[in-house]
Amino acid sequence: QSALTQPPSASGSPGQSATISCTGTSSDVGGYNYVSWYQQHPGKAPKLMIYEVTKRPSGVPDRFSGSKSGNTASLTVSGLQAEDEADYYCSSYAGNINWVFGGGTKLTVL
Amino acid sequence: QVQLVQSGADVKKPGASVKVSCKASGYTFTTYNMHWVRQAPGQGLEWMGRIDSNSGGTVLTQKFQGRVTMTMDASITTVYMELNSLTSDDTAVYYCATNYHYAFEYWGQGTLVTVSS
Repeated sequence: QSALTQPPSASGSPGQSATISCTGTSSDVGGYNYVSWYQQHPGKAPKLMIYEVTKRPSGVPDRFSGSKSGNTASLTVSGLQAEDEADYYCSSYAGNINWVFGGGTKLTVL
Repeated sequence: QVQLVQSGADVKKPGASVKVSCKASGYTFTTYNMHWVRQAPGQGLEWMGRIDSNSGGTVLTQKFQGRVTMTMDASITTVYMELNSLTSDDTAVYYCATNYHYAFEYWGQGTLVTVSS
């Protein structure tokens, strides 16, 4: 199972928006509405930000939103704040009790 | 509140085995299956497999089949992940995580396993 493809870096100025893509195949991203996104600050465990493509867990700001088109999912962070600077990972269910992660994207708030 | 508390960091020699524990609290143990995810230094996340908290049945990604054993003791709400035949490539932080709606909702703090001669 190959990892999902994410850009290594993304950036935006405070108050602006940044979008991170996550490309898979019809066997994972394109085949299921089970894409999730995680935020990870240095030395910390990942934190769930989006699940089932578009849903936000309780406590996650509505500045974070998710979408999907075909085999590519996206995470958009609106109104960027300094604390949004972190690594972001996508994940997708890939069938047969199997999950796959993306390689991660470092988001820099300029 | 849900908490997953993992065992402490460990250093092992090549060829040895390591067993990492993950104690769950704050919820009914059988509600969530437990997954294991690892992260090599400076690298991304890698899903290893999961244990069914009701049956104890396990599913492992192909890469780890034959080298990873996942077990649990429901009486103490603890799951274990044992990795055998360690090499330097196994140096990583190992996380346990609960699964909710096909996503990893709660995570342990991570356990650093260092493989070095």
